[in-house]
Amino acid sequence: GQNIDQPTEMTATEGAIVQINCTYQTSGFNGLFWYQQHAGEAPTFLSYNVLDGLEEKGRFSSFLSRSKGYSYLLLKELQMKDSASYLCAVRYNTDKLIFGTGTRLQVFP
Amino acid sequence: DAGVTQSPTHLIKTRGQHVTLRCSPISGHKSVSWYQQVLGQGPQFIFQYYEKEERGRGNFPDRFSARQFPNYSSELNVNALLLGDSALYLCASSNRDMNTEAFFGQGTRLTVV
Repeated sequence: GQNIDQPTEMTATEGAIVQINCTYQTSGFNGLFWYQQHAGEAPTFLSYNVLDGLEEKGRFSSFLSRSKGYSYLLLKELQMKDSASYLCAVRYNTDKLIFGTGTRLQVFP
Repeated sequence: DAGVTQSPTHLIKTRGQHVTLRCSPISGHKSVSWYQQVLGQGPQFIFQYYEKEERGRGNFPDRFSARQFPNYSSELNVNALLLGDSALYLCASSNRDMNTEAFFGQGTRLTVV
């Protein structure tokens, strides 16, 4: 199988930092994506990792370790508008994306 | 530039009916993928088409079919609708390069009653 595992729910306070972890099966790995999805809307692209290391993009960063089958999305200086589901998706071999169930993040004042 | 467009945005159908969902990819993108997203879950891969050929199929019954046209737009067809087919159907396009993400349309919300 190609299970993608991530926590179901997380909570954090406005202004804080939160890390959302994702683990996946490494066979056939061809890239990892993070998407943000607000309720009732389509997923929007946040980041892409295919090599080991950290990719930083403003308040959001994503890390990948291919040997460990592990990634995390780091959100800094949290804002209320960051309350959403965060989807980890892995591309296996071609363009097929396998998604995790998503992590629902709630940011409180 | 227009993004990925899907139609209709919302649809209500009765059990046993047939439905056709449509997707126009971003200009220049040749790959279209379809996903089903049930409330509270991540998107589940249904089909991927590239250059009008099926390149991948997820674990869905034969009631689900799709095709891609010469202009790279795509249709997803579902026959003999079941209540469990109620979901958000997402279309994603990409140019198939190794380092590009898939861009999603706003989706079609299908309700089967």
